[in-house]
Amino acid sequence: AQSVSQHNHHVILSEAASLELGCNYSYGGTVNLFWYVQYPGQHLQLLLKYFSGDPLVKGIKGFEAEFIKSKFSFNLRKPSVQWSDTAEYFCAVTADFTGGGNKLTFGTGTQLKVEL
Amino acid sequence: EAQVTQNPRYLITVTGKKLTVTCSQNMNHEYMSWYRQDPGLGLRQIYYSMNVEVTDKGDVPEGYKVSRKEKRNFPLILESPSPNQTSLYFCASSLGRPQETQYFGPGTRLLVL
Repeated sequence: AQSVSQHNHHVILSEAASLELGCNYSYGGTVNLFWYVQYPGQHLQLLLKYFSGDPLVKGIKGFEAEFIKSKFSFNLRKPSVQWSDTAEYFCAVTADFTGGGNKLTFGTGTQLKVEL
Repeated sequence: EAQVTQNPRYLITVTGKKLTVTCSQNMNHEYMSWYRQDPGLGLRQIYYSMNVEVTDKGDVPEGYKVSRKEKRNFPLILESPSPNQTSLYFCASSLGRPQETQYFGPGTRLLVL
């Protein structure tokens, strides 16, 4: 079965600082990877996703993520964060084994706080 | 407006009293699922449904039931709730498989005393 690890549970940054949130998954086969975000008081929404092709994926609001297969990683980055990026960020994965592709497994989440 | 709705949004109940949390989507999505969110544990999938009358267990199905009699509805049933089911519950749907963008409901906060 697939699993996802997010090692940063709480991150505090000042505005304009660069962001990198770690995400590692455990499945060795073909995977699909996602980052979802939950802004305060809002529904969870998709930031970006990787299926295949270019390992550098660009999403909404200036976020990007890089898939590094050899490291089983899909880290989320943003060059310069804003106060409005304060939210909880979830990495998620589906895998290609029987039944695995129908399950979406989330990490434990990273709470990001951006200070003015 | 395309959306996933859940009811109720907040619920306080007592151990053993059966309850149902409803989930409905108006996007003609085939895939629907339920998650629970707990501090330090993230979102964990309870059940999912690929289509009408097709449901399957997620990672934490114990103590829950679901049904998918209509495409738009996917209720979550707690036959005999216990305090360890106190949590924040989210329903989600997508056009096809979970690789498609998931659209989440607003959440239902449940407290079991």
